[in-house]
Order: sequence, then structure tokens, then C-alpha cells
Amino acid sequence: NAGVMQNPRHLVRRRGQEARLRCSPMKGHSHVYWYRQLPEEGLKFMVYLQKENIIDESGMPKERFSAEFPKEGPSILRIQQVVRGDSAAYFCASSPTYRGNTEAFFGQGTRLTVV
Amino acid sequence: DAKTTQPPSMDCAEGRAANLPCNHSTISGNEYVYWYRQIHSQGPQYIIHGLKNNETNEMASLIITEDRKSSTLILPHATLRDTAVYYCIVRSRGDQGGKLIFGQGTELSVKP
Repeated sequence: NAGVMQNPRHLVRRRGQEARLRCSPMKGHSHVYWYRQLPEEGLKFMVYLQKENIIDESGMPKERFSAEFPKEGPSILRIQQVVRGDSAAYFCASSPTYRGNTEAFFGQGTRLTVV
Repeated sequence: DAKTTQPPSMDCAEGRAANLPCNHSTISGNEYVYWYRQIHSQGPQYIIHGLKNNETNEMASLIITEDRKSSTLILPHATLRDTAVYYCIVRSRGDQGGKLIFGQGTELSVKP
């Protein structure tokens, strides 16, 4: 049973370009969470999605960032017009339900570098 | 904001038990205690969770006080590979989506 898959593992973008980060949840999981970890800092919640729905985006920056989780395919975190401050590790997690008594499992992350 | 308090760092000798404390004095009845760890900037790894009873799995034991205001994660025989940042998290059991809010965690160093 494959774990949470994130790709690419490393992504380099020039300032002003777009970054697309993909997250394939574990089989049978329909809930996805995205987190950002800036260098030498902790993990910050960004957004929680179910299939075709954004449930909680309280941690998302107001501009340039968006997320989706379509009926088919992986969840996508999209960053438009990237700036150097977007350089970070981005992790996603998945769980089978929304209930707090089921574990959420994390992927290995995408490390975004903006040059 | 994280609802837990943990010591910023701890040391443990290899082969000894590592006991990591966590204070969650404002925990409510519908919240679970979860533990994750992050080894050298890898993805966080699930360890264990519990509501009010003590729990044990192949990785660790979780001891929750009777008033649920604090807990201890026990790694029974720490190895060098257990060196990591350990996060104690309270997580809603209900309909709020169960997002995990990470605090600063405890940086555990296992020494030979």
C-alpha cells in the first residue's frame, strides 16, 4: 500500500514563475491537508480539502496561492508569481475521514527553491 | 495556535527509555492527543494517539493523566535513529476537519 506521494521532490522556479505541487493521497483517503515549513521554522497549516471541496483555507496566504482536489487525480497546490519568500518545504497529508480519531499520514514533501 | 507546551530539547542515552512530556491543560473532551516526529526535515511521521486511555504500539507508549491535562510519550529503548523533533498535538475528534496544528516540539537527541 503506497504512502502519500508528492512530486516533484525538488522544484526550482525563477521569480515570477508558477509552481505546481502535486499530492496523491493514500488509497482510500479522500481528505488532504497541505502544510508549509519555512527554513528553520515549524510546520504551518495551509489548507484542508476533500474531493472537489475546500473545507478550511484559514492558513492560505490571501494572494497567489490556491489549492484544489479534483474528483479524479492528485491534489494540486498552485503558487503564482513566486517570490523568494515562497522557498520552503511543502508537505501534504491524507486521511480516510475528517474525524480526529483517524491518523493522517504525510508525504516526503516538495522542496521549492525560488531563484 | 498550538494548544500544547513541550520542552524545547532533551537528551537521551542510546538504549535507555526516552520520556517526552507534554502539557495540554486546556484540552477539551472532544480532543485527541497525537504524537508525530520529524526526522531531519523529512515528512512528519505518525507515532501514536489517544483520547483518555494509555496506548501502546510497536513504536511507543502514550501515557495520559487521568485529568487529561498532560501526557508522556515513551520510547522504550531509544536508538540513534530516534533523534528527531517530536510534536505533541491536540486534535478535534469532531466535525471541524481534524487539522493538525504543530507547535515547536521537542528536539530529542539520542547519544551513544
